[in-house]
Amino acid sequence: DQQVKQNSPSLSVQEGRISILNCDYTNSMFDYFLWYKKYPAEGPTFLISISSIKDKNEDGRFTVFLNKSAKHLSLHIVPSQPGDSAVYFCAASANDYKLSFGAGTTVTVRA
Amino acid sequence: ETGVTQSPTHLIKTRGQQVTLRCSSQSGHNTVSWYQQALGQGPQFIFQYYREEENGRGNFPPRFSGLQFPNYSSELNVNALELDDSALYLCASSPKPGVTNEKLFFGSGTQLSVL
Repeated sequence: DQQVKQNSPSLSVQEGRISILNCDYTNSMFDYFLWYKKYPAEGPTFLISISSIKDKNEDGRFTVFLNKSAKHLSLHIVPSQPGDSAVYFCAASANDYKLSFGAGTTVTVRA
Repeated sequence: ETGVTQSPTHLIKTRGQQVTLRCSSQSGHNTVSWYQQALGQGPQFIFQYYREEENGRGNFPPRFSGLQFPNYSSELNVNALELDDSALYLCASSPKPGVTNEKLFFGSGTQLSVL
């Protein structure tokens, strides 16, 4: 069963504009959320994370928002750059040894 | 420091065969996790090894097994291959068990095709 869902398989955005990626989860035991970025032929790399005790975390151009009551988180990228074109995975942890991943969203940044 | 390396990068097997995938963890990391990423899906946790012992397992049958060696490198073995085993297999290492930290580093994966 998919406990982490990314319902938008793809997103196309113009360079300089905002990219918003969404993620929903069903397991209320999840207490830590991460976003990973993956380029072709490479492994996923950590991008940004947020603990369930916070509702926002910002790191440069990347901001993650968490809405626990809605079991929803989003990743904002502002401004979007061509190097941001990649697959983005939302992942969650219930303070144990594993991560549960969504299916990913492919972001394409147009010049 | 060297990153996580996996071998081989690509592999083709036939149904019923057995396969061994290898992973060298990042320097200083004693924990290795394996994930399976089927086409169009996100990575799914297979199991984790810490100090040569299995430290947790996902929803995968017993024909998926693993090993960790004293140098913390690891192997994933899959017996009686099925067509649905075709996937990208990712290895990830971390300095300790638990994933609430960001220090989980992935290799580039082994693409397994089962015909």
